[in-house]
Amino acid sequence: ELKVEQNPLFLSMQEGKNYTIYCNYSTTSDRLYWYRQDPGKSLESLFVLLSNGAVKQEGRLMASLDTKARLSTLHITAAVHDLSATYFCAVDNVQGAQKLVFGQGTRLTINP
Amino acid sequence: DTAVSQTPKYLVTQMGNDKSIKCEQNLGHDTMYWYKQDSKKFLKIMFSYNNKELIINETVPNRFSPKSPDKAHLNLHINSLELGDSAVYFCASSQEGRDYEQYFGPGTRLTVT
Repeated sequence: ELKVEQNPLFLSMQEGKNYTIYCNYSTTSDRLYWYRQDPGKSLESLFVLLSNGAVKQEGRLMASLDTKARLSTLHITAAVHDLSATYFCAVDNVQGAQKLVFGQGTRLTINP
Repeated sequence: DTAVSQTPKYLVTQMGNDKSIKCEQNLGHDTMYWYKQDSKKFLKIMFSYNNKELIINETVPNRFSPKSPDKAHLNLHINSLELGDSAVYFCASSQEGRDYEQYFGPGTRLTVT
């Protein structure tokens, strides 16, 4: 059974700092997704990573995928307050019908 | 234009009642999903439909019955509501073969008292 674990689960950081959120998963997959959720809101798609070594960047966020290590990272560069949110990674079990298994989420708070 | 919409946004009801949540997508996708997000923000898939056919049923109690009248709509009916059903329910859709990226609706916050 596919399991997805994120760490840290809570992250409080200051503006201007860099940090990384890690997403580990237990079985082979080459489809990984990052989502952002603001309080009381829906999930917003950030990145779709579909192959080993994939790297995508959008503004201060960069995501990468290492399918051999079963690890994805979401790197935040020079954090700003607007990036405060909960970030989820989700992995597709790629067996049969598409089924996303989500990590627990990382609640990120960026303080001025 | 809203891509994935759900109604209602909030639903407060008493134990034992029956309620429905509706979902519509205008993205032309062929697959739709229901997810449950609990109070700890954990997200878990409940059902998925592909072209009106049920393809995933994640050991959800049979009080929950999804229905897909066409590939743009997926409704969720819940019988005999229990306190533990209180959660946020998200509908999502995706298109097979196109990154399989899932687009989520705004969510329905269900509170059972």
